[in-house]
Amino acid sequence: DTGVSQDPRHKITKRGQNVTFRCDPISEHNRLYWYRQTLGQGPEFLTYFQNEAQLEKSRLLSDRFSAERPKGSFSTLEIQRTEQGDSAMYLCASSMGLSPYNEQFFGPGTRLTVL
Amino acid sequence: QKEVEQNSGPLSVPEGAIASLNCTYSDRGSQSFFWYRQYSGKSPELIMFIYSNGDKEDGRFTAQLNKASQYVSLLIRDSQPSDSATYLCAVNIMMDSSYKLIFGSGTRLLVRP
Repeated sequence: DTGVSQDPRHKITKRGQNVTFRCDPISEHNRLYWYRQTLGQGPEFLTYFQNEAQLEKSRLLSDRFSAERPKGSFSTLEIQRTEQGDSAMYLCASSMGLSPYNEQFFGPGTRLTVL
Repeated sequence: QKEVEQNSGPLSVPEGAIASLNCTYSDRGSQSFFWYRQYSGKSPELIMFIYSNGDKEDGRFTAQLNKASQYVSLLIRDSQPSDSATYLCAVNIMMDSSYKLIFGSGTRLLVRP
């Protein structure tokens, strides 16, 4: 399978715990994006990388959230001190090239439930 | 005003009919437009993209773009029950000095057998 993969697919955690998600993009894609989606809404941009450089973070992203893409391949998204409001589907997408117009392809997502 | 607006639906059509899904956007400078399909509990799947004014056809799907009216639509011909899903419109919009893909909230489509 050469698509975007994410791990884990589901995560249940207690409030206050830290969680980390992983995304493996399509191999030749140099851009990697993280989105969050809640019920009844479209995906909401969180941050993106071009190769290993994190180029932008949404203003909506609190300092409890951090993302890395250390070697320009896979990426991790960590949420510290989780809150119930963090419950959502976390989506990763990747695209090829430097143009902002290139199509983004999504992974299956990680569904986070914070109890 | 939201950057990308869609009617939440549900839009209900009988099997075999044409389903018409609409989307408006706020940024006149937007250059690329995407339609994604999302089944319940799954991630978005890219159906089509369009960059130029007019129509673009791919099988049973036709995307239509009118930049002057800031309007993009998706037509699904010969609708099938398997087309029942939420359809997300996404637009590349300049925000905070860079382009970002901004999604509408989606239109839920129900195709009745």
